[in-house]
Order: sequence, then structure tokens, then C-alpha cells
Amino acid sequence: GESVGLHLPTLSVQEGDNSIINCAYSNSASDYFIWYKQESGKGPQFIIDIRSNMDKRQGQRVTVLLNKTVKHLSLQIAATQPGDSAVYFCAENPGRTGANNLFFGTGTRLTVIP
Amino acid sequence: DVKVTQSSRYLVKRTGEKVFLECVQDMDHENMFWYRQDPGLGLRLIYFSYDVKMKEKGDIPEGYSVSREKKERFSLILESASTNQTSMYLCASSFGRGGEETQYFGPGTRLLVL
Repeated sequence: GESVGLHLPTLSVQEGDNSIINCAYSNSASDYFIWYKQESGKGPQFIIDIRSNMDKRQGQRVTVLLNKTVKHLSLQIAATQPGDSAVYFCAENPGRTGANNLFFGTGTRLTVIP
Repeated sequence: DVKVTQSSRYLVKRTGEKVFLECVQDMDHENMFWYRQDPGLGLRLIYFSYDVKMKEKGDIPEGYSVSREKKERFSLILESASTNQTSMYLCASSFGRGGEETQYFGPGTRLLVL
């Protein structure tokens, strides 16, 4: 099956600094990627998505970068706040016709130090 | 806002009991999914459904069954609960048409099987 992983299982950042969370994927046919945020005891929450015809997409304080050459995805959070502390994981759609399934990475735990 | 609700946040059952986990979405989504989430393993797909009365096995269907009698409701059934089914269960739904693969999750049900 597809492999969606993360370079680091944990990340600690100082409040106000920028955070960068990375994700590697193995299927070059994947055409859609999503970042989710999961706070303790809650379900994953959609943050931002990007299609394979783009290399950058920006939201409110968040930016997703896609490098298809090296099959790498990153989530950048600007001016990290304590409320950003959570597990972040990426998901990919492998692009098979008729399939809407996503494959998820195991996540990176972001801790914001006040 | 998309709303996915799950019938219970916490559940304690005994080995051998039949367990029903209910999920309801209010956005007329075509697709619904059941995952389990375990530390270090990420989200693993149990079953999914693209339409009413339709179901497909995911990656780990053994010991589970599902029911989708109405579009908005997707039930996960543990026919005879076992201790290795202790986990966090997450339901998700997606629009499923026009390339809308984003999955929206419920709050999760933490199941403990004794």
C-alpha cells in the first residue's frame, strides 16, 4: 500500500515562532493532499488541502508546500500559538479512478512552549 | 459547517458483547468511512461506503461489519468484541463528487473492551 510518513514524530517550538511540519509520500500518482490537526481527545480537523497541479497554497496562518519531484509535503504555521499544540498529519489520495479513499500518515506532535 | 456526530464519546464493553457504533452526518455526503486509531499506527480504514446499502472492506475489516440503511447514517458493528478491539474509532464523511475527497471527521468514540 501507499506509504505516507513523517520525518519527525515530535516538534517543539517557542510561541510566536514559525513551525514547519514535514510529510513524505511514496505514490507519484497521488493527486490530492490534506493536512489535518487533531487535538487531544478529539477527531481530526481539516486544516488545508492542495492538489498536485499546485505547489503552494495559503490559508490563515498556514501554508502548504508540495514538492512533487521529491514527493514531499510540508505545513508551515506562522506565529505559532499555544492553541496550535496538537498532532498534525497529512493524507494523500492516490488518484485511482473512482476511489475517494485517503491514506494517512502517523502524525507529528507539535508542542508550543509559552 | 459539516457536522459528523458519533453516538458515544466513551464506551466500555465486555469481551463477547455485540457493540454498535453509530455515525450521522448532516451534509448529504455520499461517502462515509470508519477508521480505528491506535498509537503509532495512525488511522486504519475498517470499512467504507459510497452509497446507501453499499459497503466495501477497508484495510482491517476482520471482526467488524457495517450497515448503511440511510444516506446520513453509517453504523459499525463489532459482532463479538475482543480486547484487541480496544481503540479510538473515528467516523468520517466526504462529498464524493466533483473531486471533493476531503473527509470530515466526527469526535471519535473511545472503546474499551474488558
